[in-house]
Amino acid sequence: EAQVTQNPRYLITVTGKKLTVTCSQNMNHEYMSWYRQDPGLGLRQIYYSMNVEVTDKGDVPEGYKVSRKEKRNFPLILESPSPNQTSLYFCASSLWGTGPSEQYFGPGTRLTVT
Amino acid sequence: QQQVKQSPQSLIVQKGGISIINCAYENTAFDYFPWYQQFPGKGPALLIAIRPDVSEKKEGRFTISFNKSAKQFSLHIMDSQPGDSATYFCAASQNDYKLSFGAGTTVTVRA
Repeated sequence: EAQVTQNPRYLITVTGKKLTVTCSQNMNHEYMSWYRQDPGLGLRQIYYSMNVEVTDKGDVPEGYKVSRKEKRNFPLILESPSPNQTSLYFCASSLWGTGPSEQYFGPGTRLTVT
Repeated sequence: QQQVKQSPQSLIVQKGGISIINCAYENTAFDYFPWYQQFPGKGPALLIAIRPDVSEKKEGRFTISFNKSAKQFSLHIMDSQPGDSATYFCAASQNDYKLSFGAGTTVTVRA
């Protein structure tokens, strides 16, 4: 089954404790992206990657890091989480370079930072 | 600053009625306008999309209307059903570049 998986689905942590949210896709997509979803703000892009070893900042990159060492994986790293990073996070993937294409979203990770 | 402005924030419609969600944008370089549907506890999923060379696209009960001169586009849900209750996001992108999303509209269809 074609899908984007994220782990964990739920995470409660404390301020300053480094964490990683994993994202993996099995569709051989070049493009991967991380979004955060907050009430009244919709989906805002954090980082994106157009292929292996190619990443760039989205609209709200502060406090986040990413890496793309393999085509299928795109982990999101919070080096020192803060309460304002409490949010619902989505990973997405799509084809790239062949015209506009559907983005496939993962099931989401709900993060709470206390 | 949100590049795509979406309204209303929420709406309630009776079963069989029409739901209308509106979006507006400023960047005239946008050339792809998708709508995503999100059910509680799930990630968004593509519902329907339009390019600016057409003024309307229909897929089943869902229709996008596009007004290039006004820089507006809208989603119409005809014969709304309880199963359509979800959050809908409009979005826009240019040259196959990243998507900019609207703030979302929560649609509740009452039986």
